[in-house]
Amino acid sequence: SQQGEEDPQALSIQEGENATMNCSYKTSINNLQWYRQNSGRGLVHLILIRSNEREKHSGRLRVTLDTSKKSSSLLITASRAADTASYFCATRAGNNRKLIWGLGTSLAVNP
Amino acid sequence: GAGVSQSPSNKVTEKGKDVELRCDPISGHTALYWYRQSLGQGLEFLIYFQGNSAPDKSGLPSDRFSAERTGGSVSTLTIQRTQQEDSAVYLCASSPGQGAPEAFFGQGTRLTVV
Repeated sequence: SQQGEEDPQALSIQEGENATMNCSYKTSINNLQWYRQNSGRGLVHLILIRSNEREKHSGRLRVTLDTSKKSSSLLITASRAADTASYFCATRAGNNRKLIWGLGTSLAVNP
Repeated sequence: GAGVSQSPSNKVTEKGKDVELRCDPISGHTALYWYRQSLGQGLEFLIYFQGNSAPDKSGLPSDRFSAERTGGSVSTLTIQRTQQEDSAVYLCASSPGQGAPEAFFGQGTRLTVV
C-alpha cells in the first residue's frame, strides 16, 4: 500500500490563482519529494525537502514539511495553464532507499 | 544515455500472450524501479533493484510478472499470459543510489491487452 496520501485528489483553479496540495505519510522519513506528471507518462522531479527542513522554495513552488504532523504541502503560486498536471509526493525512510508514493493530486488550471 | 529510455512506448497484445518491456537506465545509476500506473491512478510499486543486492519483488502482483536486471544496467519486465487487467502504463525509474534520492523516469510503456 502507498504510504503517502495526497489531498485533494483533484483541484481545479483559474489561471493566476494559487494551488495548494497536501501530502501525508505514516512513518519517519529522511526526505520528501514532489514530482509532476503530464499526460500519464514519466514523472519529473520538482523539489526535495529534507526531514530537518521546514520550508523550501524553488521559483513559483513552495514546499513545507511538518514532521510532527507527518505532512507536507506544495504551493504553486500564480498558476498557469501549463501547470495542469498530476502532482505526486514520495518519501524515503531510513536505510530503505525504496521510494514510497502517494496517489497524486490532479490539478487543472483553467485559462 | 541522456535519460531513462523505455521500449516499446506502446504495446498492444492479445490476451494470453507474453510481453517483454525494456528499460535502459541512466548510465551509472545503481537503483532501478518498475511501477505500474492504471488510468487516472497512482503509482503501483512492482520491483526495485539496488546494485548487486537481491531485488525487492514485494510489489509484483502475481507469478506471471518477473523482472531481471542484467549487468546492473538494462532491465526487462516480463508479463506472461497477459490478462486484460494488466493493461496500464509501465514506468521505469533509475536513481544514482547512495546519497542521491531523486528518481529519473522514463516515458513509460503503455500496454494494452485486447
